[in-house]
Amino acid sequence: AQSVTQLDSHVSVSEGTPVLLRCNYSSSYSPSLFWYVQHPNKGLQLLLKYTSAATLVKGINGFEAEFKKSETSFHLTKPSAHMSDAAEYFCVVSDGASGTYKYIFGTGTRLKVLA
Amino acid sequence: SQTIHQWPATLVQPVGSPLSLECTVEGTSNPNLYWYRQAAGRGLQLLFYSVGIGQISSEVPQNLSASRPQDRQFILSSKKLLLSDSGFYLCAWSFITGLGAYEQYFGPGTRLTVT
Repeated sequence: AQSVTQLDSHVSVSEGTPVLLRCNYSSSYSPSLFWYVQHPNKGLQLLLKYTSAATLVKGINGFEAEFKKSETSFHLTKPSAHMSDAAEYFCVVSDGASGTYKYIFGTGTRLKVLA
Repeated sequence: SQTIHQWPATLVQPVGSPLSLECTVEGTSNPNLYWYRQAAGRGLQLLFYSVGIGQISSEVPQNLSASRPQDRQFILSSKKLLLSDSGFYLCAWSFITGLGAYEQYFGPGTRLTVT
């Protein structure tokens, strides 16, 4: 069975400092992993995805994530936070290769960026 | 390129009234389609998904239903709305193959308030 845990419901950082949003997953197969961002009253936008290629994945807006199978983690990072990064972030897992059509969402991490 | 449309953007309906939310996808064929609901300050709850015309899988027993009358059209309905149906409704599409899950693309969402 698939599951995903976002370890922090809220994260606050100062503008210009690094961002770390943590995600752990559980999967019986080789998972596909995604990070999405949601600004208030908007749909979700894909930041980056891991689909069994390179373990360090680069996304849009300077975000990166590293797939660590031994730690079952897929943490999202950014070297320097910008005010526009303030939003809700969702980690998502899918075992598409197992035949499921479902995506499992974490409960979200709200990122606050302080001036 | 692919585009996903949802309408209306906002909706205020009285308890007991019917509901119809529509989602259409352009620029792709035979996508998997999904309806999610997001309650205030919470993560995404999968309501329905469809892998083909007329094929609907329900994830949560409730007074909502879904239909897929055409390949790229997905409709969410209710005969009688409840207060608990209030939320932000998101439509999404994706492909899942034997090699894994591809990313989901989300529509702009519909904000439903049941009064």
